[in-house]
Amino acid sequence: AQKITQTQPGMFVQEKEAVTLDCTYDTSDPSYGLFWYKQPSSGEMIFLIYQGSYDQQNATEGRYSLNFQKARKSANLVISASQLGDSAMYFCAMRVKFGQGGSEKLVFGKGTKLTVNP
Amino acid sequence: GAGVSQSPSNKVTEKGKDVELRCDPISGHTALYWYRQSLGQGLEFLIYFQGNSAPDKSGLPSDRFSAERTGGSVSTLTIQRTQQEDSAVYLCASSSYRAAETQYFGPGTRLLVL
Repeated sequence: AQKITQTQPGMFVQEKEAVTLDCTYDTSDPSYGLFWYKQPSSGEMIFLIYQGSYDQQNATEGRYSLNFQKARKSANLVISASQLGDSAMYFCAMRVKFGQGGSEKLVFGKGTKLTVNP
Repeated sequence: GAGVSQSPSNKVTEKGKDVELRCDPISGHTALYWYRQSLGQGLEFLIYFQGNSAPDKSGLPSDRFSAERTGGSVSTLTIQRTQQEDSAVYLCASSSYRAAETQYFGPGTRLLVL
């Protein structure tokens, strides 16, 4: 079954420190995409970073980087130099193909609530 | 604006009434998705549109739910005879092959069924 597991319901980090949010995935498809989204209390899902299954390099976007370990099926998000505005829910998601017609969807983990302390 | 827009932002309705939720995707995005986010179920896929092709409705929870997409752009999600368990945030997203098929989400519609 195609599944995303986020084992940390909540995480705390001091401002200006780095934090790693864990994500493991399960799929038998050789081609897939992994995403991280941020959801502040306002509710909007904000795209942060993407990693393709065939990408050789770990993805980076500003203070966000994705630690992609394909053999372990993990795609952890690293946030460097945490800021107070980083406090939010963070969701790991996997793009999966399904059905006969090439349909696709995102499968989400349950999320990790990050709190950045001053 | 350049992002996905949804309306209304909030909707309160009485059990048994029908509701329509609207999504306007990013211009040029051919794929459109609906998801539902509730406390008990997390984020669930509902339906997928690709261009003008017939949608994949496999995620719709019951036949009270339907969706259409006019002209390959704006989409409407309709819930008939609403039930209290339909209360959730309904999120719409769109994507393009030119952007690694990254799904960009709208702000959502918060539906409360009394």
